[in-house]
Order: sequence, then structure tokens, then C-alpha cells
Amino acid sequence: EVQLAESGGGLVQPGGSLRLSCAASGFTFSSYWMSWVRQAPGKGLEWVANIKEDGSEKYYVDSVKGRFTISRDNAKSSLFLQMNSLRVEDTAVFYCARLHSTSIVFDYWGQGALVTVSS
Amino acid sequence: QSALTQPASVSGSPGQSITISCTGTSSDVGAFNYVSWYQQHPGKAPKLMIYDVNTRPSGVSNRFSGSKSGNTASLTISGLQAEDEADYYCSSYTTSRTLYVFGTGTKVTVL
Repeated sequence: EVQLAESGGGLVQPGGSLRLSCAASGFTFSSYWMSWVRQAPGKGLEWVANIKEDGSEKYYVDSVKGRFTISRDNAKSSLFLQMNSLRVEDTAVFYCARLHSTSIVFDYWGQGALVTVSS
Repeated sequence: QSALTQPASVSGSPGQSITISCTGTSSDVGAFNYVSWYQQHPGKAPKLMIYDVNTRPSGVSNRFSGSKSGNTASLTISGLQAEDEADYYCSSYTTSRTLYVFGTGTKVTVL
């Protein structure tokens, strides 16, 4: 059974940093692109970042470029999101998601980690 | 990149069929067959219901079906059941730098 479990969320002041982790199990992690998708309270979904199977390619939504860094450790089946210079508008539940093997869609999602940016 | 447009709410009685529309542009929905639909119950993670316009993942009920015409995609839920009450989001790959765009979301209510 595919499982994705996020951790590392919490309350941080504007301008601060936070690192999210996602522990994957039930599939060969190193064979899949992975993503982060976020959802602000009461709002819709927003794609944040993608990373290729071997970490050689990374893509970001414009609003987080230069502030967020996606990475992975295939040996530990783990995905990460380093978030720096956090803004109030980054407040959201951050989901770790797996990209489908034969399509460009998110086929499995974790339960999410809440990040609150507030003074 | 603007979000795809969905109706805010759709409702139906048990056993009825409902359809949710998802309108985009020639840069997203109209350009690719990478339209997907997600179901999200309150406080839960999204669940993939339809991908590549009309393909159901293993385990998803055949009461859910998808289609596309031009820049508009649709999700139809037939034989509506109480457990279908949730928020539904469409999504598409896009030619913009955003790569993926989601819909505004539709709350489905089972009367």
C-alpha cells in the first residue's frame, strides 16, 4: 500500500524558515517524480514544486522560486521542502504527492502538514 | 496563470446524476489530455478520481466518469450516494511556467 507521511509543519514568524519532510513507503520511491502541493485555509489547491526521480530536475511555481528548495533522499525514501523567507501568504497545508508513472497527474497524496506563518 | 473555472456548488438527490464543469483555455485544458479530477472530504487529502480526461484509477467506482470538449472538461457522478458529498477539483497540465493549474473547486451536496 502506497503511503506518504508529511512532518515538520508548525508556526513560524514571517521571514523564518521551516523544513518539511515526507516519508514514502509501499512503492519504489526512486522510480517516481514527486511533488509538493499546498492548500491555503478554505482555499483551493496550488502546485508548488516537482522533482525528478534522480533529483536532477526541479520545477517551482513562480511565487516560491528562490525561497523554497525541493530535494529527495532515495536511499531513505524521503522527500523534503526547505522553505526560507516565509511570508504570511505561504500559510497552508502542504501535501506531498506522487506523480503517476505514465501520466502527469498526482496519484497518491499524504495527509498534509500545516504551515502557519504569523507574528 | 488563472485557476480553472468550476461552479461553486452542485447538488443532487441520491440516485441522480450530476455533472461538474471545468473551464480552462487553449493553454491548458484545450491543449492536453492531462485533465484530472480529485475528491476531497473535509480535513482529508485529495484523492485521484479521474486522470487523462476519462481514465479511472483502480478502485474508483465506475459511477465516476470524465470527458472533455474544447477548453471544458466535465466530471459526471451517476447514481449519487451520500459518500460522494465532498469538494471536487479539476486539474490540467499547462503550457505556462506554472506547469499545473487546479480548478476553483466545487462543493457537491447530496440532498
